Amino acid sequence: NAGVTQTPKFQVLKTGQSMTLQCAQDMNHNSMYWYRQDPGMGLRLIYYSASEGTTDKGEVPNGYNVSRLNKREFSLRLESAAPSQTSVYFCASSEQGAMGEQFFGPGTRLTVL
Amino acid sequence: GESVGLHLPTLSVQEGDNSIINCAYSNSASDYFIWYKQESGKGPQFIIDIRSNMDKRQGQRVTVLLNKTVKHLSLQIAATQPGDSAVYFCAENTDYKLSFGAGTTVTVRA
Repeated sequence: NAGVTQTPKFQVLKTGQSMTLQCAQDMNHNSMYWYRQDPGMGLRLIYYSASEGTTDKGEVPNGYNVSRLNKREFSLRLESAAPSQTSVYFCASSEQGAMGEQFFGPGTRLTVL
Repeated sequence: GESVGLHLPTLSVQEGDNSIINCAYSNSASDYFIWYKQESGKGPQFIIDIRSNMDKRQGQRVTVLLNKTVKHLSLQIAATQPGDSAVYFCAENTDYKLSFGAGTTVTVRA
């Protein structure tokens, strides 16, 4: 099992450009999450999907959109990138909600110039 | 607002000694807590969790203690090894979502 995979691993964007971060899990988990991690800080929840077909805002959703494509895949889209979105983005999945271990991907390091 | 936080941002420990990492939380309604380890350049990895109806839980070389009276959580690592060098995060379940603290960087001295 690959666990949680993310693509790309690194990305540099110019201000105003758009891009989609991809995430997939092969553990048949119901819940999936997108976090961002800024230097010296903990993870902050951007959006989550408690189950296939549902998505909800987290702590810092502004400037982002998500799509739960199917049970395996959960994508994060930046429509018009800003320097404040420079961060490391982590996708995670769990069997059922926040009451249990979340498995994290390796992260995408995004720089917006 | 309510938040999860760690008492100290850094901890230096001698190899072979025990480590204690502390975490304070403010949401008295939180019913689940979890510790993660993050090595440089990697995603967080689960260490151990505890539900609010417990005071203590042990794993392999790790123990989590929960004191609900003072809203305090700690992670104890026995016989700390070089591979334990990492950033450690506590997180609490709030409204069906995990809220993470800022993390403690543990450095193991040889």
